[in-house]
Amino acid sequence: SSELTQDPAVSVALGQTVRITCQGDSLRSYYAGWYQQKPGQAPVLVFYGRDNRPSGIPDRFSGSSSGNTASLTITGAQAEDEADYYCNSRDITGNHHVVFGGGTKLTVL
Amino acid sequence: QVQLVQSGAEVKKPGSSVKVSCKASGGTFSTYPISWVRQAPGQGLEFMGGIIPISDTPKYAQKFQGRVTITADESTSTAYMELRGLRSDDTALYYCARRWSANGYDYYFDSWGQGTLVTVSS
Repeated sequence: SSELTQDPAVSVALGQTVRITCQGDSLRSYYAGWYQQKPGQAPVLVFYGRDNRPSGIPDRFSGSSSGNTASLTITGAQAEDEADYYCNSRDITGNHHVVFGGGTKLTVL
Repeated sequence: QVQLVQSGAEVKKPGSSVKVSCKASGGTFSTYPISWVRQAPGQGLEFMGGIIPISDTPKYAQKFQGRVTITADESTSTAYMELRGLRSDDTALYYCARRWSANGYDYYFDSWGQGTLVTVSS
């Protein structure tokens, strides 16, 4: 299966902008999804596709993609955005499989 | 909105099996893919496999081939994941999730169960 690579940890000052990246060969063929996971909770989809945010997700969350890299940007990070963030995409092996990134721990200072 | 409710925590001996259930409400269960994703303590998300209930043909990640069975019962809107030959490194939180696609091409998970903790210990 393919792999997705994320930085293990990123920090951002309160109110500033932060970008979380995800790299992998599958991203040349498929758009990424992004999930926020807070301690003790299931993941929540916060951004997907070329430019889509699920209902209820604040518009400070946005995404982009170029080549083999997808990015999630939080513009004006809030304390409640501190969480683990995971990317995913469809696996390029073609078996309807899915691959996840290793996750990025976001700390809001 | 689809809601997924999983069975409770399990403690198992090494070498045994565990079967976790995932009951769905809302939406049309038969037609939407249910996947299983696990998360070891302090670790990331790992795709195990999935099934579209109406097709009854599960797909498994290579790592779990031969050890996992995913099934679905349309009459009760419940999906199941059975993992055999349990080892200590199978200790994890097991999630079911609805696999969803806006364009039929990209795959995302828009609804998740609450997770079932499986602990493997002698």
